[in-house]
Amino acid sequence: EVQLVESGGGLVQPGRSMKLSCAASGFTFSNYGMAWVRQAPTKGLEWVATISYDGSSTYYRDSVKGRFTISRDNAKSTLYLQMNSLRSEDTATYYCTIPTEDYWGQGVMVTVSS
Amino acid sequence: DIVMTQSPFSLAVSEGEMVTINCKSSQSLLSSGNQKNYLAWYQQKPGQSPKLLIYYASTRQSGVPDRFIGSGSGTDFTLTISDVQAEDLADYYCLQHYSYPLTFGSGTKLEIK
Repeated sequence: EVQLVESGGGLVQPGRSMKLSCAASGFTFSNYGMAWVRQAPTKGLEWVATISYDGSSTYYRDSVKGRFTISRDNAKSTLYLQMNSLRSEDTATYYCTIPTEDYWGQGVMVTVSS
Repeated sequence: DIVMTQSPFSLAVSEGEMVTINCKSSQSLLSSGNQKNYLAWYQQKPGQSPKLLIYYASTRQSGVPDRFIGSGSGTDFTLTISDVQAEDLADYYCLQHYSYPLTFGSGTKLEIK
């Protein structure tokens, strides 16, 4: 059974940092590109970033470029999202996903507030 | 960036009726290499993670009831739900994965009368 389990969320002050993790199991993690998708409260889905299967390529939405870093550790089957200089508009539930394979985590809430 | 324009914002139907949800992309999502449209449809029920319904515009994901039908090509796409059931209460989103940044439609809220 495929499982994606996110962790690391919570309440953080504006301008501070937070790192999300996503532990994968039930499939060959190193074969797949991975993504983070977020959803602000009562809002729609928004793609954040994607990393290729081997970590050699990364892609970001403009609003997080230079602030967020997506990375992976294939030996640990774990995906990461380092979030720096957080803003109130980053408040959302963050999903770890392979959207085209219908692999989704349960989501982790990040609240940026003073 | 490819803009996905999804409509309607919401709709309310009775069980047994049919609904159509539309997504229009600002650029073609059809790959000339493999003739596939890089358009997917998702269902998100309240409090749950999204679920893939349709990929490549018209291929139903395994386990998805055949009342969910995806159609369209190029820039115009439709999700049709025939014989709507109470369990179909959800938000529906299209996603283009033809090019980065990936972009979702704004969503359609389906309510059951």
